[in-house]
Amino acid sequence: DAKTTQPPSMDCAEGRAANLPCNHSTISGNEYVYWYRQIHSQGPQYIIHGLKNNETNEMASLIITEDRKSSTLILPHATLRDTAVYYCIVRPNTGRRALTFGSGTRLQVQP
Amino acid sequence: EAQVTQNPRYLITVTGKKLTVTCSQNMNHEYMSWYRQDPGLGLRQIYYSMNVEVTDKGDVPEGYKVSRKEKRNFPLILESPSPNQTSLYFCASSSPGLNTEAFFGQGTRLTVV
Repeated sequence: DAKTTQPPSMDCAEGRAANLPCNHSTISGNEYVYWYRQIHSQGPQYIIHGLKNNETNEMASLIITEDRKSSTLILPHATLRDTAVYYCIVRPNTGRRALTFGSGTRLQVQP
Repeated sequence: EAQVTQNPRYLITVTGKKLTVTCSQNMNHEYMSWYRQDPGLGLRQIYYSMNVEVTDKGDVPEGYKVSRKEKRNFPLILESPSPNQTSLYFCASSSPGLNTEAFFGQGTRLTVV
């Protein structure tokens, strides 16, 4: 499975954009990049995913580099409720389809 | 509302006393799985099911059983719980394919004493 590397923690001011980076240099050509977040000890929540192109939904934007070796999750206007651990996951191309959650990035949104 | 429901949310039990954690989804998803989350180890997959009557081991299956008699339900069974199974458990479901999101339940915090 492709491994991912994320910074352990980040701070962001409320109302500003939060840019969370992720490295996945061993990603295979048909593997998707997924982002989930976990608020406190709740169940992980899906945010967004992509293959090659940049993606945007109501929660966030995902920017994937042309070589696909890294990506950035962008929360355009962070709020206090966005304080959570954010996980970047490369979805394996196997039937098991397990999501391998690493340590993630703990995002603290400051008032 | 699309959701994955786990019960109970909290459980304290004694070593060796069989228990079942239920998981139900209302999205008609074929794929369901169980994870456990421990400090410093992240979420690890215990068992998964591709469809009714089709189950297989994940990364940490020892001490657990599952069954998938109906599409919507995927219970996790601990026949003889031990203290090292004290953990936070999550059930998840998704539709087939690589390009799909997983929905997670609210979690079950289990303590085995």
